Amino acid sequence: SYVLTQPPSVSVAPGKTARIACGGYNIGSYSVHWYQHRPGQAPVLVIHYNSDRPSGTPERFSGSNSGNTATLTISRVEAGDEADYYCQVWHSNSFWVFGGGTKLTVL
Amino acid sequence: QVQLVESGGGVAQPGRSLRLSCAASGFTFSIYGMHWVRQAPGKGLEWVAVISYDGSNKYYADSVEGRFTISRDNSKNTLYLQMDSLRSEDTAMYYCAKYAEGATEFEHWGQGTLVTVSS
Repeated sequence: SYVLTQPPSVSVAPGKTARIACGGYNIGSYSVHWYQHRPGQAPVLVIHYNSDRPSGTPERFSGSNSGNTATLTISRVEAGDEADYYCQVWHSNSFWVFGGGTKLTVL
Repeated sequence: QVQLVESGGGVAQPGRSLRLSCAASGFTFSIYGMHWVRQAPGKGLEWVAVISYDGSNKYYADSVEGRFTISRDNSKNTLYLQMDSLRSEDTAMYYCAKYAEGATEFEHWGQGTLVTVSS
């Protein structure tokens, strides 16, 4: 089965840039989607197809994908960005696959 | 405004059954595929099952294949998950999510319903 690996946690000071990695074998050949999940709320799609922002996603959120790593970048981090972030791909053998999730802490 | 509202969660004993529902509104339900995704306590998200817009195609995660059944009633704008032979490892928050045909992302999610399997 296809495996996506994320760091359990990332910490960043307000106003700084957070980068959350998502590792997978040859992930650059797949479309990667990113979700923000605040406790007690519904997950929200923030980046789809590697780098596209759905309507409603602030421009501070961006994505990239190449080789064996996809990255979600959040610029000018705000307290409200504190949440769990998940990467996700569709794989022909494993279907819909999620990374283990990264807890973003705003210091 | 898209709304997905899950219901039907609760406490069930191992080996028993539960049926979850997901009421959809704010979009044309009959042209969208639907997923169930779950999150066990302290764990990450896990895809459970998917059904196409017309119910003709269904796929399941290996962990629930043969025990769970996904279905939909487009006349009622409602998605279902019949959960049989429940196990303790099925304890989780269950979310429904919509997707457009051909898309690989979960476009919009509900807030979830909690299922606890315990004797």
